[in-house]
Amino acid sequence: KAGVTQTPRYLIKTRGQQVTLSCSPISGHRSVSWYQQTPGQGLQFLFEYFSETQRNKGNFPGRFSGRQFSNSRSEMNVSTLELGDSALYLCASSLDRGPYGYTFGSGTRLTVV
Amino acid sequence: AQSVAQPEDQVNVAEGNPLTVKCTYSVSGNPYLFWYVQYPNRGLQFLLKYITGDNLVKGSYGFEAEFNKSQTSFHLKKPSALVSDSALYFCAVSAAYSGAGSYQLTFGKGTKLSVIP
Repeated sequence: KAGVTQTPRYLIKTRGQQVTLSCSPISGHRSVSWYQQTPGQGLQFLFEYFSETQRNKGNFPGRFSGRQFSNSRSEMNVSTLELGDSALYLCASSLDRGPYGYTFGSGTRLTVV
Repeated sequence: AQSVAQPEDQVNVAEGNPLTVKCTYSVSGNPYLFWYVQYPNRGLQFLLKYITGDNLVKGSYGFEAEFNKSQTSFHLKKPSALVSDSALYFCAVSAAYSGAGSYQLTFGKGTKLSVIP
């Protein structure tokens, strides 16, 4: 079966711009979670969505937002980009809430210049 | 709050020798514990998890880990290392699921494993 698909794989944006990243979960998975990976801070939790509702949010500023659609696909948006937002953004899907069934995508590498 | 410590940034081991990557954790209540591996420019690949039951967990590619509640540790082990095992390894913890609350993973900083031919 198809895995978790994240698009685009690579992205270069300018400071001040906004960006939208997409995550298509494994078919039948209802939960999507997002993580940010940077060399300095490591892997940090951004959000969890389940049945189109945000269930949990990490300690990130309001510039980071997301949503989940009725087909479980999820998008995350970062507005007013800063250099520090450069990171690998990883999406994980699972059947239900909780991380014990996570499957991660390959990530979107965002570079802010 | 939950946390994970991976005390070694890098572990070097000769091919064919046993390997250990260390992990200790802190979480309220019972833990769910995970090991993931990451190859360059890729996402996280699941290796194994401890939810409940036997303290020795066997996972993919010959890896195993032992849950030690008294020492709050979950070290990753493999009896005989391969060059292809060279990668970045992450330990992660979550509180046990009880139907409500937050269940995100908290990751360690990662340990770079280098297997020398």
